Amino acid sequence: SAVISQKPSRDICQRGTSLTIQCQVDSQVTMMFWYRQQPGQSLTLIATANQGSEATYESGFVIDKFPISRPNLTFSTLTVSNMSPEDSSIYLCSVRGGQGLDGYTFGSGTRLTVV
Amino acid sequence: QQQVKQSPQSLIVQKGGISIINCAYENTAFDYFPWYQQFPGKGPALLIAIRPDVSEKKEGRFTISFNKSAKQFSLHIMDSQPGDSATYFCAASMNKAAGNKLTFGGGTRVLVKP
Repeated sequence: SAVISQKPSRDICQRGTSLTIQCQVDSQVTMMFWYRQQPGQSLTLIATANQGSEATYESGFVIDKFPISRPNLTFSTLTVSNMSPEDSSIYLCSVRGGQGLDGYTFGSGTRLTVV
Repeated sequence: QQQVKQSPQSLIVQKGGISIINCAYENTAFDYFPWYQQFPGKGPALLIAIRPDVSEKKEGRFTISFNKSAKQFSLHIMDSQPGDSATYFCAASMNKAAGNKLTFGGGTRVLVKP
């Protein structure tokens, strides 16, 4: 199954700064997904990142706040810009495939605390 | 708009008992229904999944029951063990044309008491 490495695993950041989260997959995948999971809550899709095209953002998420790069088929980054305490969450990347024909694999997440 | 509703929010079961978690969906275009298990500090891990052409799927102690007409599906954990204590999420997605996005239910925190 696909193995996802996500960095950093956690960080504490000052408000107003930006943090870039990296997601590395051990196999080539067409689509990568970025999710946010607020404390004790479910997962909400931020955007879908396809290699070679602009990311597709879900309602409530904008590129200026969460710019995404997808330079190749195994790597993506999500930046959380101009952070506020409300951005404190777990951010997870995910890819389709590996765990069965339709399974989605998730990274371990980046636990972000904004102070 | 929450497209996948999950209940209960939390569940306490004795070791050896049955844990039952229910989900209901609204969008009939959904064609893939996975369940994920998440331990603290970890990402969700796929537990079991079903497609709507099947009414039940069993893998070990985990069973999905699917009712297409009612737009409901449920997870049964038989012989629950303390190691099953985790948060469980149901989810649903559509076919490739819709981008394969997963929509998650709200989650159920399961505690199995020894």
